[in-house]
Amino acid sequence: EVQLVESGGGLVQPGGSLRLSCAASGFTFNTYWMRWVRQAPGKGLVWVSLINSDGSITNYADSAKGRFTISRDNARNTLYLQMNSLRGEDTAVYYCVTDVYGAFANWGQGTLVTVSS
Amino acid sequence: QSALTQPPSASGSPGQSVTISCTGTSSDVGHYNYVSWYQQHPGKAPKLLIYEVNKRPSGVPDRFSGSKSGNTASLTVSGLQAEDEADYYCNSYAGSNNVVFGGGTKLTVL
Repeated sequence: EVQLVESGGGLVQPGGSLRLSCAASGFTFNTYWMRWVRQAPGKGLVWVSLINSDGSITNYADSAKGRFTISRDNARNTLYLQMNSLRGEDTAVYYCVTDVYGAFANWGQGTLVTVSS
Repeated sequence: QSALTQPPSASGSPGQSVTISCTGTSSDVGHYNYVSWYQQHPGKAPKLLIYEVNKRPSGVPDRFSGSKSGNTASLTVSGLQAEDEADYYCNSYAGSNNVVFGGGTKLTVL
């Protein structure tokens, strides 16, 4: 069974940092492209960042460029999102997803990030 | 990248069919056959319903179908059931590893 389990969310002050993790199991993690997708409270889905299977290609939504860094450790089957200079508008549930040409077949349960003083 | 346009709400009675539209541009929906649809119940993670315009993952009922014409994709839910009441999102590949989501449609089963 495919499982994606996010962790690392929480309450952080504006300007602070958080590192999200996503532990993958039940599939060959090192063959999948992965994304982070977020959903602000009561709002729609927005993609945040992408990484290819070996970590050599990354991409970011404009809102994340220069502040967020996506990475992966294929030996540990884990995806990461380092988030710096956090703002109130970054408050959201963050999901890690498998990506096959923009089709996100597998989702974690999400981890809530709240940016507030 | 602008979000794809979906109607904010849709509704239908049990047993009826309802179609939700998703309008993009010639740079995303109109250019790529990589449109997918997701169902999200309150407090839950989204679930993939349709990928590559009209393909269903294993386990998704054939009451859900997808299509595309020009810059507009559509999701049709036939034989509406109470459990179909949820939010529905489309997304499309938009080139250069970008994807764009629609704003979501809340489906109400009357």
